[in-house]
Amino acid sequence: EAGVAQSPRYKIIEKRQSVAFWCNPISGHATLYWYQQILGQGPKLLIQFQNNGVVDDSQLPKDRFSAERLKGVDSTLKIQPAKLEDSAVYLCASSFGGVAPQHFGDGTRLSIL
Amino acid sequence: TQLLEQSPQFLSIQEGENLTVYCNSSSVFSSLQWYRQEPGEGPVLLVTVVTGGEVKKLKRLTFQFGDARKDSSLHITAAQPGDTGLYLCAGARAGSARQLTFGSGTQLTVLP
Repeated sequence: EAGVAQSPRYKIIEKRQSVAFWCNPISGHATLYWYQQILGQGPKLLIQFQNNGVVDDSQLPKDRFSAERLKGVDSTLKIQPAKLEDSAVYLCASSFGGVAPQHFGDGTRLSIL
Repeated sequence: TQLLEQSPQFLSIQEGENLTVYCNSSSVFSSLQWYRQEPGEGPVLLVTVVTGGEVKKLKRLTFQFGDARKDSSLHITAAQPGDTGLYLCAGARAGSARQLTFGSGTQLTVLP
């Protein structure tokens, strides 16, 4: 079974620029999550999708972050404009939903100069 | 605010030693998971515990969920260099749409 695919693996941008990350979940997984993991910390949930609908985006900084999952499969997370504190690894995870375990991609490491 | 506190934050031991990592919270969780994360990779699920007082063993790893479902521990017997990694606990609260709250992690280094 193919795992959760994320791209790019690394991204370096200057502050105030924009950036987008892409995630393709495991086939058949209805639930998709985006997490932010700052160095030395555990992952923090940014947004959760169930199919193409948002379940929870309460921790997403909506003034600069946006995410979509238009067809209920792959998803994009965008930051515009980026700030220095956005430097982190952005992880995507997917699951069948409910109590099913989450499977994580290898993440995108974002560095803001 | 981090709801799950892990200790120690860093641990460096020699191969063959035993160790215990703790995960504590003031909140009650319906289930608790332990993950291991290696550099450049996403977290990989090791175990899920759901019942207060539950003990699960996975080869040399023993996981325990506290009776009140607020805390958990991970014990590794005879650690090996391959056990090196970041160990994360994550709790799911009832009715929270299966959302996980992660601890800050314990970075374990096992020296040969």
